[in-house]
Amino acid sequence: EIVLTQSPGTLSLSSGERATLSCRASQSVSSNYLAWYQQKPGQAPRLLIYGASSRATGIPDRVSGSGSGTDFTLTISRLEPEDSAVYFCQQYGNSPWTFGQGTKVEIK
Amino acid sequence: QVQMVESGGGVVQPGRSLRLSCAASGFTFSNFGMHWVRQAPGKGLEWVAVLSYDGSNDYYGDSVKGRFTISRDNSKNTLYLQMNNLRVEDTAVYYCARDLGSTTSHSPLGYWGQGTLVTVSS
Repeated sequence: EIVLTQSPGTLSLSSGERATLSCRASQSVSSNYLAWYQQKPGQAPRLLIYGASSRATGIPDRVSGSGSGTDFTLTISRLEPEDSAVYFCQQYGNSPWTFGQGTKVEIK
Repeated sequence: QVQMVESGGGVVQPGRSLRLSCAASGFTFSNFGMHWVRQAPGKGLEWVAVLSYDGSNDYYGDSVKGRFTISRDNSKNTLYLQMNNLRVEDTAVYYCARDLGSTTSHSPLGYWGQGTLVTVSS
């Protein structure tokens, strides 16, 4: 099983700042099958990024993904209040599919 | 538009069974792999199971293997999760989710239902 470790646990930033979230895999993620999801309280998760760097439909270009192999990054430039949420990474290259434990982004 | 509506959640005693349903609409159900993902109260996401678009391949997380069975009825556009021998630690919101891409074995979860709560308690 591929274990995904996200850091930091919580990120507290001001509107307009840049958020950098990390996701590290215990072994190489096949074909960079790595996705990022956003979840707000009381809501289902929403797909942001797939294939490590492709934005899902409707996701603004201030949200970007990068990385390969075992190290991946989600960057949100110019944070807005609506970005306050928990962000999860997930690998879908090998069964069992696995999620990271999440990073909470707080907007000061 | 793509929509999934889960049902069948509730309170159940340890050791008992429960079957969840996920009614899908707005897309050609038989073309997409479908998943169950759960989230314990205040915790992160845990992938539970996946069933291929044609029902020929299924995979499970280690914590539910041998107890849960995923199935689908493409004629009814419905996904199921049969949960047997339930444990307290199975308490969670259960989401059904659709693969983003069709007829593929590697796809992120592009669409999610709103979830149904399962509480296992004596």
